Amino acid sequence: QKEVEQNSGPLSVPEGAIASLNCTYSDRGSQSFFWYRQYSGKSPELIMFIYSNGDKEDGRFTAQLNKASQYVSLLIRDSQPSDSATYLCAVRGYQKVTFGIGTKLQVIP
Amino acid sequence: NAGVTQTPKFQVLKTGQSMTLQCAQDMNHNSMYWYRQDPGMGLRLIYYSASEGTTDKGEVPNGYNVSRLNKREFSLRLESAAPSQTSVYFCASTFGTEAFFGQGTRLTVV
Repeated sequence: QKEVEQNSGPLSVPEGAIASLNCTYSDRGSQSFFWYRQYSGKSPELIMFIYSNGDKEDGRFTAQLNKASQYVSLLIRDSQPSDSATYLCAVRGYQKVTFGIGTKLQVIP
Repeated sequence: NAGVTQTPKFQVLKTGQSMTLQCAQDMNHNSMYWYRQDPGMGLRLIYYSASEGTTDKGEVPNGYNVSRLNKREFSLRLESAAPSQTSVYFCASTFGTEAFFGQGTRLTVV
């Protein structure tokens, strides 16, 4: 079992819709959770982090964490074509950060 | 503020050649990482260094060596390059909640 699992997609949503991206992790001792966005040919950039169970909102983005289910999600409201990218889930355990394979999101105008 | 600087950006090697990828950060971070990214495989951790003077293996360390020269610099060495090491390599440093990435090195081994 991989430490961090994501569906590779592509996930296609129409412009203006809500995009829902999901991630599960295997290490119950994981301490913090991140969502990175990566445009093609570019470096990943951090868009959200979350430590505690529940929801965390930042503009159009909401991160959700359920430690009992070992599940992290990212919701993007009012999706825009500029949101088209690969979204990487990352989990921080003791001393290291582990990434999932990323979900490719396509927002259709 | 340069952040994380990787060199080179592009490199073509012949099988069996050696090379060192350089990484430097100017943010005084303790932790530094080397990842490789391949299509469909995501970012896989090669080696990391939690602090100056320490290094640890990640998920895919075979064929690589690292040196944490000082707090700023963390280099990745390929002693005898193989075609399977064709990839995009990212260096990162972390502080608290955020990982800062270099711009990546696109390495092709022929």
